[in-house]
Amino acid sequence: KAGVTQTPRYLIKTRGQQVTLSCSPISGHRSVSWYQQTPGQGLQFLFEYFSETQRNKGNFPGRFSGRQFSNSRSEMNVSTLELGDSALYLCASSLDGALGTDTQYFGPGTRLTVL
Amino acid sequence: SQELEQSPQSLIVQEGKNLTINCTSSKTLYGLYWYKQKYGEGLIFLMMLQKGGEEKSHEKITAKLDEKKQQSSLHITASQPSHAGIYLCGADKGSNYQLIWGAGTKLIIKP
Repeated sequence: KAGVTQTPRYLIKTRGQQVTLSCSPISGHRSVSWYQQTPGQGLQFLFEYFSETQRNKGNFPGRFSGRQFSNSRSEMNVSTLELGDSALYLCASSLDGALGTDTQYFGPGTRLTVL
Repeated sequence: SQELEQSPQSLIVQEGKNLTINCTSSKTLYGLYWYKQKYGEGLIFLMMLQKGGEEKSHEKITAKLDEKKQQSSLHITASQPSHAGIYLCGADKGSNYQLIWGAGTKLIIKP
């Protein structure tokens, strides 16, 4: 099976712009989670989607949003970019998101740089 | 709130030596995951532990979850350059489909 894919791999934007990142989960996986990773804050949970529904959201401002499509592919959007949004954005997929029994598999990430 | 403490923050080990990384929680762990990350890349799943006292091994890496389910250790035997990277532990926060994460342990293998 193909792994989790994320596009684009690298992105450079300027402050105030918006950006959309895409994630294609492993075939058959219906849960997609998004994380932000920075040297200072480490790995932080953004949100999780299952069957097109957001089930949980982390402590991020409303500028961060996401969605999931019927084929389980997911996108996340960041509007009005700030310098502090520069980070590695990781997406992970699992069968049903049942933590403790299910396993999340991660994509290679999208490196976003905001200038 | 539940937090995960990883120790040490970084580790430099001579090739061939053994090493241990720890992950400690202030609360009971319902599911503990170990991942490895090469700099700037995605996380690679290593192992998942659920039950107190559980131990799993894969190649030269062994992970254990203590009986009280508040601490896990990752042990690498006869380290190799391929073991270099950042090791992260993640834990089930309860029921919110959300994993919490340790800060990571950076492992460097000296040839």
